[in-house]
Amino acid sequence: AQSVTQLDSQVPVFEEAPVELRCNYSSSVSVYLFWYVQYPNQGLQLLLKYLSGSTLVESINGFEAEFNKSQTSFHLRKPSVHISDTAEYFCAVSDPGGYNKLIFGAGTRLAVHP
Amino acid sequence: KAGVTQTPRYLIKTRGQQVTLSCSPISGHRSVSWYQQTPGQGLQFLFEYFSETQRNKGNFPGRFSGRQFSNSRSEMNVSTLELGDSALYLCASSSPAGSGDTQYFGPGTRLTVL
Repeated sequence: AQSVTQLDSQVPVFEEAPVELRCNYSSSVSVYLFWYVQYPNQGLQLLLKYLSGSTLVESINGFEAEFNKSQTSFHLRKPSVHISDTAEYFCAVSDPGGYNKLIFGAGTRLAVHP
Repeated sequence: KAGVTQTPRYLIKTRGQQVTLSCSPISGHRSVSWYQQTPGQGLQFLFEYFSETQRNKGNFPGRFSGRQFSNSRSEMNVSTLELGDSALYLCASSSPAGSGDTQYFGPGTRLTVL
């Protein structure tokens, strides 16, 4: 069975500081990896995903994540955060043969302070 | 292109009643997945439909059911509501329909069971 662990439930950070949100997964098979963001009273939006190829993936709004197979991790980073990045971030995995079933971590609430 | 729409956005029911939630996917998307989001259990996969067939099901009791129509719109039904069914119910659509495809989420239906 697959599982996802997000190591921090809350991450407070000051504006323009760097941030890392940690995600580890457990799976006996290869996986696809995703980061989703949820703003208050909204659904989830995809930030970025890793399917194959380059282990470093980037989003259009400055976030990046690196797939590390040996450490089974997919940490999300941003070199300089903005107030508008305040949201809940979810790491998720899916089984390449398992159709559209996402297994989510518990989420990390990122709070950016001025 | 219009996003995923869910109706109603808010719903209040009492224990023992049943409820039906609706999801209209993005035009052209044929896969619809449903998730339950609660503070205690986080985001959990309910089921996924593709071309009117349920392809995948999560670990929920039989009180939770769904269906998909020929126009890809989907409904989920919860019978004999319990207090623990209070949650945000999210649906997501994708195309074509593999597990690596981006799932686009609707804003959710917030169900409160009294």
